[in-house]
Parts: sequence; C-alpha cells; structure tokens
Amino acid sequence: SQELEQSPQSLIVQEGKNLTINCTSSKTLYGLYWYKQKYGEGLIFLMMLQKGGEEKSHEKITAKLDEKKQQSSLHITASQPSHAGIYLCGAGQIEGADGLTFGKGTHLIIQP
Amino acid sequence: GAGVSQSPRYKVAKRGQDVALRCDPISGHVSLFWYQQALGQGPEFLTYFQNEAQLDKSGLPSDRFFAERPEGSVSTLKIQRTQQEDSAVYLCASSLSSGFYEQYFGPGTRLTVT
Repeated sequence: SQELEQSPQSLIVQEGKNLTINCTSSKTLYGLYWYKQKYGEGLIFLMMLQKGGEEKSHEKITAKLDEKKQQSSLHITASQPSHAGIYLCGAGQIEGADGLTFGKGTHLIIQP
Repeated sequence: GAGVSQSPRYKVAKRGQDVALRCDPISGHVSLFWYQQALGQGPEFLTYFQNEAQLDKSGLPSDRFFAERPEGSVSTLKIQRTQQEDSAVYLCASSLSSGFYEQYFGPGTRLTVT
C-alpha cells in the first residue's frame, strides 16, 4: 500500500519567515492534495496537484508536484499567525481511486 | 451554501454500546467518504459511496463497522459493540463527483469509548 511521509513532523518559525513542508511517496502519486487542520476541527482544502511539474499558488502558499510525481512541497512565504496549524498531504491510493491516503501531518507553530 | 455537517460533534459511549454517526454532505455531491483519525495521526480511509452505492469498504477495520447512504445523500456510520480502540475522530467528506475532485470535510465526530 502507498505510504506518505511528511517532513518535518513539527516546525517552529518566526513570523515573517518562509518555510517549506515536504511530502514523499513510496509510489507514483495519482493526485496530491494539501489540507490544513486546526486542532479539533475538520480539514480545510488548500490545493490539489495532478500533473508532474505542476505548481499552484493561493495567497502566500505555493505547492509543487515534482516531475516524477513522487514528492510534493508546500511553501509558505512571509508566514503569519493565521498559518499555524497542522498541514496534511493526501494522495489517491491508485489511479482513478477516490479514497485518500494521508501523511501524519506537519505541525506548524508561528512565533510572533 | 452550507458545508458538510456531522452530528453529534462529541459522543461518549460505554464499551459494548452501539453508536451511530451522521453525515450531511454538501447538496448535490455524488461522492461521500468516511475517515478515522486517531490522535496525532493523519486520517485513515474507511469507506466510500458514489450516490447510494458503497463502492469501497476496504478500510473498515472490522465487521462491527457498517456504513450506509440509502438515498444517496445523508450517510450514517454505525459501530456495534464499541471497543476502546474505536476512540477517534470520525471525519466525513464529500466531493462533486468521482475522480480527482476536491474533498470537502466536515468538522468530525469525536468518539470516546470508556
């Protein structure tokens, strides 16, 4: 079965600094999703990537899927307190399948 | 419009009791998913519906877990004879169609089995 490894597991960043979170798969990724979760709440959809080399941005968050479709990165520019939370990557288990496999998450803390 | 809603938000059950968790997906969404999230872990897939058809139930951990979506909208996840290891947050998600569409998640039901 596919496994997703996220790094780092936790990250403390000073407000205003940039940061990157990585998601690595043991197999080819068929659709990669990034979500954000605050403690005790559901997941908020951020972005979805499908094609190798694809890059998407929303406000100060940019996500990329590498050419070989086995790794994705999430980059936050000029971090703000509102960026704090748990970031999860999720992937389709096999091509065309719908249930997602998730990584364990990266816990992001923003220090003022 | 309204997002995915789940009820109850919190449920405490004594070991051995049966529980039923409800999910109201976004109106018009064809696909519905259930996930289980243990503390400090990412969500784990349980089961998937396309309309009223349960197309994948490979993630259900035992035959004590049962899900239904009889009219293709509201879904219920039922756990019989709850065990302590069933304690987790149960998340429901819906998407517009099958394939690679955004999955929108509800707030979850936190189940505690004592």
